Amino acid sequence: NAGVTQTPKFRVLKTGQSMTLLCAQDMNHEYMYWYRQDPGMGLRLIHYSVGEGTTAKGEVPDGYNVSRLKKQNFLLGLESAAPSQTSVYFCASSPGTLAYEQYFGPGTRLTVT
Amino acid sequence: AQKITQTQPGMFVQEKEAVTLDCTYDTSDPSYGLFWYKQPSSGEMIFLIYQGSYDQQNATEGRYSLNFQKARKSANLVISASQLGDSAMYFCAMREGLAGGFKTIFGAGTRLFVKA
Repeated sequence: NAGVTQTPKFRVLKTGQSMTLLCAQDMNHEYMYWYRQDPGMGLRLIHYSVGEGTTAKGEVPDGYNVSRLKKQNFLLGLESAAPSQTSVYFCASSPGTLAYEQYFGPGTRLTVT
Repeated sequence: AQKITQTQPGMFVQEKEAVTLDCTYDTSDPSYGLFWYKQPSSGEMIFLIYQGSYDQQNATEGRYSLNFQKARKSANLVISASQLGDSAMYFCAMREGLAGGFKTIFGAGTRLFVKA
């Protein structure tokens, strides 16, 4: 099993460009999450999903959109990138219960110039 | 609203000694889970320990234990017999139940330095 994978691993964007980050998991998990981590800081929840076809806003959703058309995939979109969105983006998944830990992807390092 | 607070930006501990990393939380949902993760300098997130809000006993996993004080809304991580490899960022996280939509949020983290 690959676990949680993220594509791409690195990306540089110019201000105003758009892009989509792909998260895929092969563990049949119900829950999926997108976080951003700025240097020296904790993870902040952008959006999350508790099942195929559902999404919900997290702590810092502005400037991002998500979709979960298939259970195994969770896409994060930036419609018009801004320098403030320079960060490391982590995707995570977990089974659909309260008790199970999250499994994290390796992260995507995004720089917006 | 959910909130997780880790008040210690950085901590130093001598090798082989025990260390406590603080975490307080705030939620109105009676059903929730608390987690601790380790993030070494390589960047991956490593799950350490879990405590459920209805668990009567404190969780333990090897050298890690969670000091759960529900009335005080604290969930401190205790690492016994610290090792050099324990130097890392440590994050406390909380997942609320149905009332909170099962979202999982993290604290700002504590950077632990283990001295030889």
